[in-house]
Amino acid sequence: DVKVTQSSRYLVKRTGEKVFLECVQDMDHENMFWYRQDPGLGLRLIYFSYDVKMKEKGDIPEGYSVSREKKERFSLILESASTNQTSMYLCASISAGIGYEQYFGPGTRLTVT
Amino acid sequence: AQSVTQPDIHITVSEGASLELRCNYSYGATPYLFWYVQSPGQGLQLLLKYFSGDTLVQGIKGFEAEFKRSQSSFNLRKPSVHWSDAAEYFCAVGAREYGNKLVFGAGTILRVKS
Repeated sequence: DVKVTQSSRYLVKRTGEKVFLECVQDMDHENMFWYRQDPGLGLRLIYFSYDVKMKEKGDIPEGYSVSREKKERFSLILESASTNQTSMYLCASISAGIGYEQYFGPGTRLTVT
Repeated sequence: AQSVTQPDIHITVSEGASLELRCNYSYGATPYLFWYVQSPGQGLQLLLKYFSGDTLVQGIKGFEAEFKRSQSSFNLRKPSVHWSDAAEYFCAVGAREYGNKLVFGAGTILRVKS
């Protein structure tokens, strides 16, 4: 069974803290994604990675960075958390190729106070 | 630019009634289309997808969707809604030109009243 896991379901951090969100997939997928989900805005792509150590900016990369040292793991980093980064963060993975579906993790609800 | 519009932010239907959720897209390519569902506190689960061929596609949980190229639409339907269908529904669009990236709509929250 396909599985995408995220390290935390809920996270509370203080303004200015460095925050790491971890995502692991067990499907040997080449491509992985980080989205941010906000009410009324749907899912917005922050970063994606199409191979180990490869990354590309999505639509809203400001304030975020990513790391992909191993194929199965994709980390989202908030260098200095701010209150406007309070949101639900979703990780997804997909096999290389065209037209496949993305598989999603359960999400991490991050609150920055 | 690519965009996906889900015109209805909230929809309330009675249990047993039929359902149609609307999705319109703007894409400069032949699209791949998806409908995902998100139950409270959960990630997204794929309901159905359209790549090519028959424009009426069947999905899980009794859902279906019809791709209408002339209207740039991919509306989701279910003939009889169950209380467990209460969730948020997202339409998403991709295209060969954009690799595996998807553009998502803002979502429609479905409430089911008994």
